[in-house]
Amino acid sequence: KNEVEQSPQNLTAQEGEFITINCSYSVGISALHWLQQHPGGGIVSLFMLSSGKKKHGRLIATINIQEKHSSLHITASHPRDSAVYICAVYAADSNYQLIWGAGTKLIIKP
Amino acid sequence: DVKVTQSSRYLVKRTGEKVFLECVQDMDHENMFWYRQDPGLGLRLIYFSYDVKMKEKGDIPEGYSVSREKKERFSLILESASTNQTSMYLCASSFLGLAPYEQYFGPGTRLTVT
Repeated sequence: KNEVEQSPQNLTAQEGEFITINCSYSVGISALHWLQQHPGGGIVSLFMLSSGKKKHGRLIATINIQEKHSSLHITASHPRDSAVYICAVYAADSNYQLIWGAGTKLIIKP
Repeated sequence: DVKVTQSSRYLVKRTGEKVFLECVQDMDHENMFWYRQDPGLGLRLIYFSYDVKMKEKGDIPEGYSVSREKKERFSLILESASTNQTSMYLCASSFLGLAPYEQYFGPGTRLTVT
């Protein structure tokens, strides 16, 4: 069983829909990282959080430490949001090595 | 804005060649990382460095070496490239502290070994 699991693996939605991507982990963590990767390779950091909720534009990330679960939400989705979204966690005993989820491929259709 | 640059976006090399992948960051980060990314396997850490001339093995160091002579520059070396090293290589950097910091990534180098 992977230590970081994301769901769904693939998600196709219409423009304007509210999107939720989930991340569950089985280890104790010090922080959780959400990243975005567009076709072509480059990875961009979206959020890093260890409690509560963070918001940036149309993106919202939440984490529930007790339930070992995080969600990434996209409001008013747009075709330019199409990308792979990756969840990664810093284990509690490491502040440099990330444990990576497999990613969620999101396609937003116009 | 943090900028992490990699020397090449695409690279084609022959089996047995020595390959250098260069990474430069401009934010005075202590930590630098080299990952490879393969379909179905996600990102895997090859090596990381927390200071000049310091290096630590990651999950898959075999067949690779690294060099960090200056704080801003971290090089990945394939001493004798093999076809199973065909992959996307990503460099990242972050601050070093008691708590973890965000990692910032370069655009990636897609290496093909023929």
